[in-house]
Amino acid sequence: GAVVSQHPSRVICKSGTSVKIECRSLDFQATTMFWYRQFPKKSLMLMATSNEGSKATYEQGVEKDKFLINHASLTLSTLTVTSAHPEDSSFYICSAPISGREPYEQYFGPGTRLTVT
Amino acid sequence: RKEVEQDPGPFNVPEGATVAFNCTYSNSASQSFFWYRQDCRKEPKLLMSVYSSGNEDGRFTAQLNRASQYISLLIRDSKLSDSATYLCVVKRHNNDMRFGAGTRLTVKP
Repeated sequence: GAVVSQHPSRVICKSGTSVKIECRSLDFQATTMFWYRQFPKKSLMLMATSNEGSKATYEQGVEKDKFLINHASLTLSTLTVTSAHPEDSSFYICSAPISGREPYEQYFGPGTRLTVT
Repeated sequence: RKEVEQDPGPFNVPEGATVAFNCTYSNSASQSFFWYRQDCRKEPKLLMSVYSSGNEDGRFTAQLNRASQYISLLIRDSKLSDSATYLCVVKRHNNDMRFGAGTRLTVKP
């Protein structure tokens, strides 16, 4: 079956530093990927839609200059959390849909747990 | 108002019980509907899609009422392994998914 990987699975960084999270589709091409954030005991909140070859689309309230998204190829999207603050500590999950398959299922990466100290 | 609303629970049921979860959505243009399961500190995994005609997968039955914008999930003969958070998910026209806050289920021996 389709697999989406994320790297790293867990990262601890200091306030003010930047962290890059990679999302890869391993056996299919994804022109679109989605980035979500999940705080403890809360639901997944869509942050942005990553589009291969063009700019990402950010949800209202998500700072595009703080959460940089690059979808450089059909199998890789990256999310960079710049100048991280402790309130950015969260579980970040990416997903990728498989085009042409109905119902339009999305495959989720295993998530990246970010802790900012 | 949230786009997808669920009863957060928790639901604590004994093994073998039948439990039902409900979900409502506000965007009438929503195209597809799903139930996902999320275990603690893991990514969501698709449990089943939801159709207006109703669909069943073993002990799980899902139902969609488009007129009422209401989705349900019924779990029969609950197992300990069913303990998880169940997410109601609605797909928009632009293919992004909107998640409910999840309903937490604990099945006890």
